[in-house]
Parts: sequence; C-alpha cells; structure tokens
Amino acid sequence: ILNVEQSPQSLHVQEGDSTNFTCSFPSSNFYALHWYRWETAKSPEALFVMTLNGDEKKKGRISATLNTKEGYSYLYIKGSQPEDSATYLCAFNGNKLVFGAGTILRVKS
Amino acid sequence: GAVVSQHPSWVICKSGTSVKIECRSLDFQATTMFWYRQFPKQSLMLMATSNEGSKATYEQGVEKDKFLINHASLTLSTLTVTSAHPEDSSFYICSARVWRVLDYEQFFGPGTRLTVL
Repeated sequence: ILNVEQSPQSLHVQEGDSTNFTCSFPSSNFYALHWYRWETAKSPEALFVMTLNGDEKKKGRISATLNTKEGYSYLYIKGSQPEDSATYLCAFNGNKLVFGAGTILRVKS
Repeated sequence: GAVVSQHPSWVICKSGTSVKIECRSLDFQATTMFWYRQFPKQSLMLMATSNEGSKATYEQGVEKDKFLINHASLTLSTLTVTSAHPEDSSFYICSARVWRVLDYEQFFGPGTRLTVL
C-alpha cells in the first residue's frame, strides 16, 4: 500500500508570513508528483505537476521543489495572504494518483 | 484549465434508496474519469476508474454491485450508490484525466456530499 504523508496537518499563519509544507512519498516507481489547492465548496485546483528530480516550479507567490531520490516535495508560499487559505493536497503518481491527507492553511489578516 | 461539473452538490436520502451522482467534463472530452471518496480527516481514496465505452475498474475493497459506474459518453460518467446505508455517507468527488506531452493532469469536480439517514 502506497503511503503519501503530508505535514503539518494544519497551519495558522499571519498575513505576510512565508510558509512551507512537506509531502513525503515512495521513492520507487515514481512518475510524477501533483500539488492541488482546494478551497471549501470548490473543485481542487491543480497547482503543479512535477516529474524531474530537482524540479522547481513557481506560480506567483507559490513554488514547489521535488526530490525523487529521497521521496519528498516542498510547497512554499511567500507573503501569505488570506486568500491563500485552503487545503493543499499532494498526490503521488505511480500509475494512478495516491493522495495525501492534505495540509490545511489558515492565513489571518 | 478544464472544467468538471458534478451534480448534485449534496444529497440526503433514506436508507435503502439509490442515489445517482453525475460527473461532466464541460469543455473537453474525457475517455477516463475517476471516482474518489473521502471520509472526514482522511485522504481522497480512489474507488474506481471509469473508462468510456467499457467497464469500470474498481479498487480493492470497493463493491462494484454497490457502486455502479457508467461512462456512456466522452463527457459524462455517473456513479450510482445502490441501496444506500448510513455507512455510505461520505464525500464523493470525480475527476477527468487530460493527457499532456509528458504526463497528465486530473481536473476535479466540486464533489457531492451524501448523507444517508
């Protein structure tokens, strides 16, 4: 059974703080690692699909890195804003997506 | 990005009744769709892979006669929870796969909250 772990489970930060969270996944049979942002009552929104060891991707204030050899990915948010409040999911893609339980981020203004 | 709709967004039903949930790709065709279930504070768990024009592939432990999946067109997959019981109460969410050059993306619907009384 594949195990995808996300930490922390939840995070409360002040507006303007930078933050990061971790996704750990099996280092074997790796195909891709997906990050999603999921706001309440909305569809999960794809942020990044990462495939290469050492990959670093950026979208605005959000960036992600990937280490396939040791089996982890970091998601960074620079200068958090209240609208960043959401659950951030990662999913390991072997031949199908296996999701972590998510990190709940709450940004206080 | 591609848009996936899901209907209904929530449903309450009596034990023993059947409930159908629809998943539609609005601006693209999807030969493959996925159905997930999420229990409180847990991960999205894949229930089955829905393939247009053929039988769905169910994950281990998911009863195919309980959760009927039909993918009759390239834009619509349906999940029917038959003879629903309180333990089937959960959040059900679908997604559709879009292939890119080197990999694929999955676009999700907003989910359906099912409560069985």
